[in-house]
Amino acid sequence: GAGVSQTPSNKVTEKGKYVELRCDPISGHTALYWYRQSLGQGPEFLIYFQGTGAADDSGLPNDRFFAVRPEGSVSTLKIQRTERGDSAVYLCASSLRGLFRRLNTEAFFGQGTRLTVV
Amino acid sequence: DAKTTQPTSMDCAEGRAANLPCNHSTISGNEYVYWYRQIHSQGPQYIIHGLKNNETNEMASLIITEDRKSSTLILPHATLRDTAVYYCIVCLIQGAQKLVFGQGTRLTINP
Repeated sequence: GAGVSQTPSNKVTEKGKYVELRCDPISGHTALYWYRQSLGQGPEFLIYFQGTGAADDSGLPNDRFFAVRPEGSVSTLKIQRTERGDSAVYLCASSLRGLFRRLNTEAFFGQGTRLTVV
Repeated sequence: DAKTTQPTSMDCAEGRAANLPCNHSTISGNEYVYWYRQIHSQGPQYIIHGLKNNETNEMASLIITEDRKSSTLILPHATLRDTAVYYCIVCLIQGAQKLVFGQGTRLTINP
């Protein structure tokens, strides 16, 4: 598709379970971002990938959260031992920023995955 | 990244120009001003960005003061579909576009 795709759109899981959230960025976009948004709040930065590597993971709240992007396109956000406080909408975004392209371009966001931990 | 200050909410009549202010008094010379909006239940959508000159595109205009400490997003002819939360963000020109979202302005367009 033409935009950023996130699956599933909704996920309900029990406390303590493991979940994986998937993001398909726009083809050719080298930069990929994960954000988390709680009700009534602005999105909160989690992690940024440039290519396959995590260039900035300073927003990950703790070691239960992990993200990968093994081939530089699709990314998976993994949450272990989920807690009720992890309930939020998880947003993925991508942007076009090559190695020799120093200036940032706009980020395109997906519709998000609504995670509910019960 | 510099912090921004925006009004919590604003109302505007349909067909009128909506002017959304943003203060970013601690912005540095290597930071852009970006505007995104988020319509209910959707991901944020890019609107416009600028460094120091005024910018215009098909969606909006961005007016940045000469000292760069504040800016105004202008939607020239607001429609009901412009009802959304509007975020003003300052972001480094180079490096990761790590968008730091505040609370934004909830803009309601009234018929």
